[in-house]
Amino acid sequence: AQSVAQPEDQVNVAEGNPLTVKCTYSVSGNPYLFWYVQYPNRGLQFLLKYITGDNLVKGSYGFEAEFNKSQTSFHLKKPSALVSDSALYFCAVRDKGSSNTGKLIFGQGTTLQVKP
Amino acid sequence: DTAVSQTPKYLVTQMGNDKSIKCEQNLGHDTMYWYKQDSKKFLKIMFSYNNKELIINETVPNRFSPKSPDKAHLNLHINSLELGDSAVYFCASSQGLAGGPLYEQYFGPGTRLTVT
Repeated sequence: AQSVAQPEDQVNVAEGNPLTVKCTYSVSGNPYLFWYVQYPNRGLQFLLKYITGDNLVKGSYGFEAEFNKSQTSFHLKKPSALVSDSALYFCAVRDKGSSNTGKLIFGQGTTLQVKP
Repeated sequence: DTAVSQTPKYLVTQMGNDKSIKCEQNLGHDTMYWYKQDSKKFLKIMFSYNNKELIINETVPNRFSPKSPDKAHLNLHINSLELGDSAVYFCASSQGLAGGPLYEQYFGPGTRLTVT
């Protein structure tokens, strides 16, 4: 079965420091991977995606993610965290078993807390 | 302009009642989704429509019935509400054939349903 895991419920980082939010996946074949962010009382916003090509993907708000096929990981990163980055982050993988329906399987979410 | 809108934003009702949540997108997308986010923030897809055709129907009680009058609207009707239905319900939309792998999903602000 295809799945996504975010091993950390919460990540704490000081403003200005680099941040990493971890994601590992389990899918057959080549994965299509996404990161979304959810600010309090808001819907999810798309950050970035990996479909194919360069393993380092750049997205919105200065975020980037590195696809690592051997480690089946897609960690979200940012060189310098901002307090305003504090939010709930979701990793997701497209369910390839549901051919061409666009179904996403989400991880359990990681709360990022950036302290001034 | 709001891309994906939902009404109402909050819904408080008693067990046994029937209620509807409406969703509209003005992005010109042809695929729409309903997700449920539980109290632990876990996000799971419920339904998806592509060009008014149901393409994803997860294991959801048949008390939940989606209806898509046109490509821009996807409503969710819930019969005989139960305490366990309390959650935040998100509508989303995406571009392209059945929300294929290239296209990210745009989420509405959510509807917080509380069943008492």
